[in-house]
Amino acid sequence: AQTVTQSQPEMSVQEAETVTLSCTYDTSESDYYLFWYKQPPSRQMILVIRQEAYKQQNATENRFSVNFQKAAKSFSLKISDSQLGDAAMYFCAYRSGRAGNNRKLIWGLGTSLAVNP
Amino acid sequence: NAGVTQTPKFQVLKTGQSMTLQCAQDMNHEYMSWYRQDPGMGLRLIHYSVGAGITDQGEVPNGYNVSRSTTEDFPLRLLSAAPSQTSVYFCASSYSQDNSPLHFGNGTRLTVT
Repeated sequence: AQTVTQSQPEMSVQEAETVTLSCTYDTSESDYYLFWYKQPPSRQMILVIRQEAYKQQNATENRFSVNFQKAAKSFSLKISDSQLGDAAMYFCAYRSGRAGNNRKLIWGLGTSLAVNP
Repeated sequence: NAGVTQTPKFQVLKTGQSMTLQCAQDMNHEYMSWYRQDPGMGLRLIHYSVGAGITDQGEVPNGYNVSRSTTEDFPLRLLSAAPSQTSVYFCASSYSQDNSPLHFGNGTRLTVT
């Protein structure tokens, strides 16, 4: 069974600085998708970035980028120029690309990010 | 564009009561699902649907029923609420393509006393 591990329950960063959140996963599959979701105090789950395992290029969305290391099964999220609005819980998630799967996301337990002014 | 709409936002039930959490999406997504979020346990899949008339169980389906009579709606029914069902519930939907991300509703905080 696949698992997702976020080893940092809490992180903090100074406004305008860069922070990296770690995520590792365990799978025997070669086809899968990885996601980072943000959950601010408003509770809504917001997609930050996604990565297809078959793509070697790391995904980037504005100030958010990932370091995808397929062999190491690592999928870290880098937030550049941190803003106060980035303060939230961040979840890493895995989804199998296997045909017929129930499209279930397997979630890490989250990293709570504080941004200090 | 409303996206995924969940109601209610908050609900308090007594043990044994029944209720329905509503979920509607206006993005013509084939796939819809219900998750519950509990501290220290992350999000867990309750039920899901790959299209109108088709539903299936996730990893924690006991105590919950679903139906999918239309593409837009996917209600979650608690038949006889138990304190163990105290949680935050999320409805999420997506297109059927593998790389399509889930779009989440704002969640329902349910307390069962």
